[in-house]
Amino acid sequence: EAQVTQNPRYLITVTGKKLTVTCSQNMNHEYMSWYRQDPGLGLRQIYYSMNVEVTDKGDVPEGYKVSRKEKRNFPLILESPSPNQTSLYFCASSLIQRANTGELFFGEGSRLTVL
Amino acid sequence: QKEVEQNSGPLSVPEGAIASLNCTYSDRGSQSFFWYRQYSGKSPELIMFIYSNGDKEDGRFTAQLNKASQYVSLLIRDSQPSDSATYLCAVRTANFGNEKLTFGTGTRLTIIP
Repeated sequence: EAQVTQNPRYLITVTGKKLTVTCSQNMNHEYMSWYRQDPGLGLRQIYYSMNVEVTDKGDVPEGYKVSRKEKRNFPLILESPSPNQTSLYFCASSLIQRANTGELFFGEGSRLTVL
Repeated sequence: QKEVEQNSGPLSVPEGAIASLNCTYSDRGSQSFFWYRQYSGKSPELIMFIYSNGDKEDGRFTAQLNKASQYVSLLIRDSQPSDSATYLCAVRTANFGNEKLTFGTGTRLTIIP
């Protein structure tokens, strides 16, 4: 089954404790991206990657890191989480040539709470 | 001014009626426009996309685009309770290397049986 898999789905952590949210897709998509969704602010892009070893900042990259060592994986790293990073996070992927159709495939989301 | 604006709702529509969802955007260079549906607690899923001025129909859904007015809308005919969800308008602006979609905050739609 074609899918984007995120882990963990739910996480409660404390300020300053490094964490990684994993994202994996099995569709051989070149493009991957992380979004966060907050009430009243909608979905905002954090980072994106056009292919292996190619990553760049989105609109709200502060406090986050990413890597793209393999095509299928795009982990989101919070080196020192803070309460303002409490949010619902979505990983998404797409074929580059399908990107103009807006056909992003989203993972199920990871709800992160930072105390 | 937000890049993509939507009325947050909630919008309540009787079953069988037409639901009309609206979206405005600020960047005149925007080229592609999308409607995503998001059920509570779930991830967004693409319903329709439109590039050209005018209407585009797909089953019970019609997307309408007016680039001069920087306005895009989604009509849902014969609304069903299963259409109750939050509808996200998204806009893509030509930006080589980043297929970023800029999303609105969404309109919550409730279909009343």
